[in-house]
Amino acid sequence: AQTVTQSQPEMSVQEAETVTLSCTYDTSESDYYLFWYKQPPSRQMILVIRQEAYKQQNATENRFSVNFQKAAKSFSLKISDSQLGDAAMYFCAYRSGETSGSRLTFGEGTQLTVNP
Amino acid sequence: EPEVTQTPSHQVTQMGQEVILRCVPISNHLYFYWYRQILGQKVEFLVSFYNNEISEKSEIFDDQFSVERPDGSNFTLKIRSTKLEDSAMYFCASSESWDSRSNTFFGQGTRLTVV
Repeated sequence: AQTVTQSQPEMSVQEAETVTLSCTYDTSESDYYLFWYKQPPSRQMILVIRQEAYKQQNATENRFSVNFQKAAKSFSLKISDSQLGDAAMYFCAYRSGETSGSRLTFGEGTQLTVNP
Repeated sequence: EPEVTQTPSHQVTQMGQEVILRCVPISNHLYFYWYRQILGQKVEFLVSFYNNEISEKSEIFDDQFSVERPDGSNFTLKIRSTKLEDSAMYFCASSESWDSRSNTFFGQGTRLTVV
């Protein structure tokens, strides 16, 4: 079974600064997808960014980028120019590419605080 | 922008009562999911549903749970006899295709409180 681990329960960053959230995962599969979801106080789960395991290039979405290290099974999220609206719980998630329509497996989450 | 909608946003129920949580997935999506998040814990998969049948379920999804797509738009989760430990945030989600390249979109959640 796949597992996802987020070792940072809480992180904080100053507004306009950069912060990196860590995620590691364990799998024996070669085809899979990784995601970062944001959960603001409203509790809705919002997709931030995704990475296909077969792609070497790291995904980017505006101020959000990932550092995908497949051999190390590491998938960190970098938030540049942090904004107050970035404050939320961030979940890393794994989805198999070998089993169609399979479940998302989430990590424990990292609570990000953005200080003005 | 299309979105997954869930009702109600908050449900309070007596232990032992039946509850039905409702969801309207994104209209062209074919795959539907329920996830649960107990307060302060990670989001956990409950069940996936396609073509009017369960595709996959977790060990959490026991005989007390059932899902249904009663019409062309709604997708429901029923808990037959609620327990205190069923108190959680329940998220409905949907995706366009079975292909893992398709993203999963979540609703805003229903907070279930069992008293």
